[in-house]
Amino acid sequence: QVQLHQWGAGLLKPWETLSLTCAVYGGSFNEYSWNWIRQPPGKGLEWIGEVSHSGSTNYNPTLKSRVTISGDTSSNQISLKLTSVTAADTALYFCARRKRDHYGTSTWAFDIWGPGTMVNVSS
Amino acid sequence: SYEVTQPPSVSVSPGQTARITCSGDALSKQYTYWYQLKPGQAPVMVIYKDSERPSGIPERFSGSSSGTTVALTISGVQAEDEADYYCQSVDSGGSYVVFGGGTKLTVL
Repeated sequence: QVQLHQWGAGLLKPWETLSLTCAVYGGSFNEYSWNWIRQPPGKGLEWIGEVSHSGSTNYNPTLKSRVTISGDTSSNQISLKLTSVTAADTALYFCARRKRDHYGTSTWAFDIWGPGTMVNVSS
Repeated sequence: SYEVTQPPSVSVSPGQTARITCSGDALSKQYTYWYQLKPGQAPVMVIYKDSERPSGIPERFSGSSSGTTVALTISGVQAEDEADYYCQSVDSGGSYVVFGGGTKLTVL
């Protein structure tokens, strides 16, 4: 059973860099694309971006200038860095796996999610 | 930027049918997925590729698609179905993910 564990600093000051890590246990890491998604308090889900098994990345255009997502196949971990945070970046951050269909093709569905990490940005 | 639209809230009595819609120009070209979010829990996918039900999801959950509108239907709603529901798709070019604003399902 694949499980995702997340960790990272939960309290940041404005203009600092958010840094989160997500570890994959119990399943293949290399065959999937791994994503970060967030939910600000009282608001909806927002896709941040992804890193594929090949290391290529794809980001939400609205966050692209501040986001870096990377993957480490040796430790089965992915990381998220978001620079110059503001209060608007306060959110519950999830890592999630893109589902592969029965042909082995990656879909845009997210079938496995981490538990979420709450990040607060406050001066 | 591309957006998909959901109603903010739907209310039904137990045993009734709840229908939550999601509209967007690209939904006729791209699949839609539906997620259930309960407070303090990770999202759970309840509908895959417009209308497929993932393993373990009760049969009362179903999905449909017509043109640029997709719908999640919950038949015989139970108290445990009270949650926020989000539709998710991608832009027409398949470049980036978009979520609807979410619909709060209240079971009266």
